[in-house]
Order: sequence, then structure tokens, then C-alpha cells
Amino acid sequence: EVQLLESGGGLEQPGGSLRLSCTVSGFTFSSYAMTWVRQAPGKGLEWVSVISGSGGTTYYADSVKGRFAISRDNSKNTLYLQMNSLGVEDTAVYYCAKNNRAGAPSHIDYWGQGTLVTVSS
Amino acid sequence: QSVLTQPPSVSAAPGQKVTISCSGSSSNIGINYVSWYQQLPGAAPKLLIYDNSKRPSGIPDRFSGSKSGTSATLGITGLQTGDEADYYCASWDSSLSVVFGTGTKVTVL
Repeated sequence: EVQLLESGGGLEQPGGSLRLSCTVSGFTFSSYAMTWVRQAPGKGLEWVSVISGSGGTTYYADSVKGRFAISRDNSKNTLYLQMNSLGVEDTAVYYCAKNNRAGAPSHIDYWGQGTLVTVSS
Repeated sequence: QSVLTQPPSVSAAPGQKVTISCSGSSSNIGINYVSWYQQLPGAAPKLLIYDNSKRPSGIPDRFSGSKSGTSATLGITGLQTGDEADYYCASWDSSLSVVFGTGTKVTVL
């Protein structure tokens, strides 16, 4: 059974940093690209970033480019999202998601339950 | 980065059919596959349709997908109260990003 468990969310002040983690099980982690998607309160889904199975290729939404960094540790079955220079507009539930193959383009086939990030002074 | 356009809401009585449109462009839907996701209240999204019209294991055939040009459509037949949810389309974009639809709320009358 595929399982994705996010952690690291919480309350952070504007300008601060947070690192989200996503620990997975039930599949060969290194064989699949992984994605972060966020959803602001009461809003729709917004794609944030994707990383290839090897970790060698990454893509970002314009809204987070230069501030967020996606990475993975295939030895630990863990995906990360380092978020810097946080603004109130980054407040959202952040979902970790598995893609259906190692590279892009590929679609998301499994989602975690999400972790809430709140940016507020 | 652009978004895909969906109607904000659709509704129908139990047992009826609804369709949800998803309008994109030549840089996304026009050249890439479309997937659809269902988000029940308070839950994480779930894959409903991939590669325009394929259903993952466990998804009933009441759900169907199609694509034509730069638009896609999700159909739900035999509507049930358990289908009340938000539905999102998504597609890879040539800007090396993924674009999601604006989301459609399905209400069972």
C-alpha cells in the first residue's frame, strides 16, 4: 500500500524558513518523480514543484522559484521542500504526491494527507 | 504560468449525469495528457482519470474522461450523494510546469 506522510508544517513569521518532509512507503521511491502541491484555505490546488526519481531534474512554479527548493534522499525514502523568504501568500496545506513515472511529464497518482503551513506575524 | 478554466459549480439530482469542462491552451491540454482529481470535503485529492480517459483500479465506470483539442471533459453518470466534492483537471505545460484547473464543486440536489 502506497503511503505518503508529510511533516514539518506549522506557524512561521514572514521572512522565515521551514522545511517540509514527506516519508513514503509501499513503492520503490527512486523509481518515481515526486511533487509538492499546495492549497490555500478555501482555494484551489496550486502546483509547487516536481523532482525526478534520480533527483537530477527539478521544476518550480514561478510563485516559488528562487525561494523554495525541492530535494530527495532516496536512501531514506524521503522528499523535502525547503521554503525560504516565506510570505503570507505561502499559507496553505502542502501535499506531497507521487507521480506515475520517474520523469516528466507525468501525472500524480497518489497524494499524502497534507501539512498546514501558516505564515503570520 | 496559466491555469485551466473550469465552471465553478455544477449540480444535478441523484441518478442524473453531470459534465465538467476544462479549457486550456495549445501549450498544455493541446499537447499533453489530462488527469482529473476528486477532493472530498476535508480530504486530500484522489486520482480519478489519467491520460485523458483512463481510470485507475477501483474507480467506477460512472466516471469518464475525454479530450478534444485544447479542452477536456469529465463525466459522472448515476450521480450519488457521495460524489459531492470538488473536481480538478490538470495537465503538464510546455513551460515545464503543471497547471491545475480552477476547480468545480459538484452538488447533488
